[in-house]
Amino acid sequence: NAGVMQNPRHLVRRRGQEARLRCSPMKGHSHVYWYRQLPEEGLKFMVYLQKENIIDESGMPKERFSAEFPKEGPSILRIQQVVRGDSAAYFCASSPPDRNEQFFGPGTRLTVL
Amino acid sequence: GQQLNQSPQSMFIQEGEDVSMNCTSSSIFNTWLWYKQDPGEGPVLLIALYKAGELTSNGRLTAQFGITRKDSFLNISASIPSDVGIYFCAGQNKPRGSTLGRLYFGRGTQLTVWP
Repeated sequence: NAGVMQNPRHLVRRRGQEARLRCSPMKGHSHVYWYRQLPEEGLKFMVYLQKENIIDESGMPKERFSAEFPKEGPSILRIQQVVRGDSAAYFCASSPPDRNEQFFGPGTRLTVL
Repeated sequence: GQQLNQSPQSMFIQEGEDVSMNCTSSSIFNTWLWYKQDPGEGPVLLIALYKAGELTSNGRLTAQFGITRKDSFLNISASIPSDVGIYFCAGQNKPRGSTLGRLYFGRGTQLTVWP
């Protein structure tokens, strides 16, 4: 049973470009969460999605950030017009429908030049 | 938002020693999770706790869900070099069985084990 998969593992963007981060949950998991981690800090919640629904986006900036989890395919976290402050590690986690044990992917390290 | 205070921030111990770390919150949680993160990787789930007072073991690791529901403890016995990493506590405050939700994380405990 493959774990949570994220790609790319590393992403470099210039200021003003768009960043797209992908996450495929574990098989059988229908809940996806995105977190952001700055160096030497814990993870900060961004958004929680189920298939075709955003359940909680209270941790996601209202501008430039969006997330989706379509019926088919991976969940996508999209950052438009990136700025240097967006540089961070972005982690996706998934959980089964009946337990709040969240399993994390390896992360995408975004660097904005 | 919820505040999780995790301590100590870092620990330097010798191989074979026991380790203890804890996490406290400003409000009640219904789920406590402990994770370990290695450099360049995602957090790996170690132990999940769902009930106040619950004591759960996973090999040399033991974690407890505090009676007040505002704290949790993780102990590692007989540490080995591969225990090196950052340990995070995480809490969730929705009742088990209801809608799942976000986790709140502590800032982590950096563990270094000298051979």
